[in-house]
Amino acid sequence: DVKVTQSSRYLVKRTGEKVFLECVQDMDHENMFWYRQDPGLGLRLIYFSYDVKMKEKGDIPEGYSVSREKKERFSLILESASTNQTSMYLCATQFPTLSYEQYFGPGTRLTVT
Amino acid sequence: SQELEQSPQSLIVQEGKNLTINCTSSKTLYGLYWYKQKYGEGLIFLMMLQKGGEEKSHEKITAKLDEKKQQSSLHITASQPSHAGIYLCGAATSGGYQKVTFGTGTKLQVIP
Repeated sequence: DVKVTQSSRYLVKRTGEKVFLECVQDMDHENMFWYRQDPGLGLRLIYFSYDVKMKEKGDIPEGYSVSREKKERFSLILESASTNQTSMYLCATQFPTLSYEQYFGPGTRLTVT
Repeated sequence: SQELEQSPQSLIVQEGKNLTINCTSSKTLYGLYWYKQKYGEGLIFLMMLQKGGEEKSHEKITAKLDEKKQQSSLHITASQPSHAGIYLCGAATSGGYQKVTFGTGTKLQVIP
C-alpha cells in the first residue's frame, strides 16, 4: 500500500511565523502535490513537483513556496504566515500510470492566529 | 480554466436508500476522478472514467460518464453508514492527466 505521511495533523502558528509542512511518501512516485481545502472552495492546487528540484505553480501559489530536495519528501513553506492561510493542507503523490490516480496524506489542519 | 460543479452540496439519507451525486463540467472531461474523504482526513481514490458512456462499479458504488463527457454521476445503492463522508469529483486538465481540478464536494450523511 502507498503510504503518504504529513508531519503534523494539527498545527497552530502565529502571524508572521515561517511555517514548514512536510510530506513524505514511500512509493518512489515522481509527482507530488500540495493542496489546500477550504469550505465552499474545495481543493485548490498550490504547487506540484514532477521530479527532484522541479516544481510548478498551481492555481494559488501566492504566499507559498516549496522544496523537493529528495524524491520522497515535498515541503510546503509559508514564508510569513497570515490568518488567511488558516486551512486544511493536503499532500498527494502520483505515479504516472494509465489512471494517474493520486494518493493523499491525512492532512494538516493549520491555524494561524 | 476547468470548473466543476457538484450537486447536491449535501445529502442526508436513510440507511438502505439509494442516492445519486452529480458532477458537471464547463468543458469536455478528459478524465474524471471520484474520491471519497472521511471527515478531517485525506482523500481515497474510488474510480476514474475516461471514455464517453463509460460506467464503472466498485462494491455498491457506480459511476458513469455521459457520452458528451461533460457530466458524471455517482450512484450508491442501498446506502450504509460506512458510505458517509465527502465525495469529490476531479477533472484531469486538457494538458494531461497529471493535474486535477476538484469540485467543491458533496457531504453525505447516512442515518441508521
